[in-house]
Amino acid sequence: QSVLTQTLSASGTPGQRVTISCSGSRSNIGSNAVNWYQQFPGTAPKLLIYSNNQRPSGVPDRFSGSKSGTSASLAISGLQSEDEADYYCAAWDDSLNGQVFGGGTKLTVL
Amino acid sequence: EVQLVQSGAEVKKPGESLRISCKGSGYTFTSYWINWVRQMPGKGLEWMGKIDPSDSNTNYSPSFQGHVTISADQSISTAYLQWSSLMASDSAMYYCATVPKTLERVLGLVYWGQGTLVTVSS
Repeated sequence: QSVLTQTLSASGTPGQRVTISCSGSRSNIGSNAVNWYQQFPGTAPKLLIYSNNQRPSGVPDRFSGSKSGTSASLAISGLQSEDEADYYCAAWDDSLNGQVFGGGTKLTVL
Repeated sequence: EVQLVQSGAEVKKPGESLRISCKGSGYTFTSYWINWVRQMPGKGLEWMGKIDPSDSNTNYSPSFQGHVTISADQSISTAYLQWSSLMASDSAMYYCATVPKTLERVLGLVYWGQGTLVTVSS
């Protein structure tokens, strides 16, 4: 059971906008920044969004993040087939003194 | 360019010991935390623990405390994850990941190794 809660799956057609949600608690999302990772099969996760809504260099602006209270979301606009991947939310947890992850959302581009 | 290069895949028997490694380059090794993350087959990411290579201060997730040991050798910019007695349930992909010590609460895990697949089977 992951500390952060994500829906198992999401889907959309090319060009659509898809949102992935992540729910936590006061000790993690409620008090700290949320980060999002993208993982393709057989590869290491890659930092996609950091500090709630910041994109590392090279990440398209189709990807955006937001946070409110103890929840966060990742939005992908102009969905493309190459966006099909697993997406994980994460945050620092004050109680754990370490990172906590969501269970991951598998995004399918129909 | 920050790079983390992990040791190769391992196949072990239950009860055997194992140490896998993660070598950092392209940055000041002692200025970054090294974290270890487990991903069991078909499952999500689990934070195991981390080490400050400058003084070997460690912090473990309660889920992994006592079952694994994280260490580092700053002289060769390498961190380790080790088991004294493997179990079949330790079969997983293990990733190391690093972040500047002063920014870990904000940036998360910025740079990742390629992963080390550990298979434990009799």
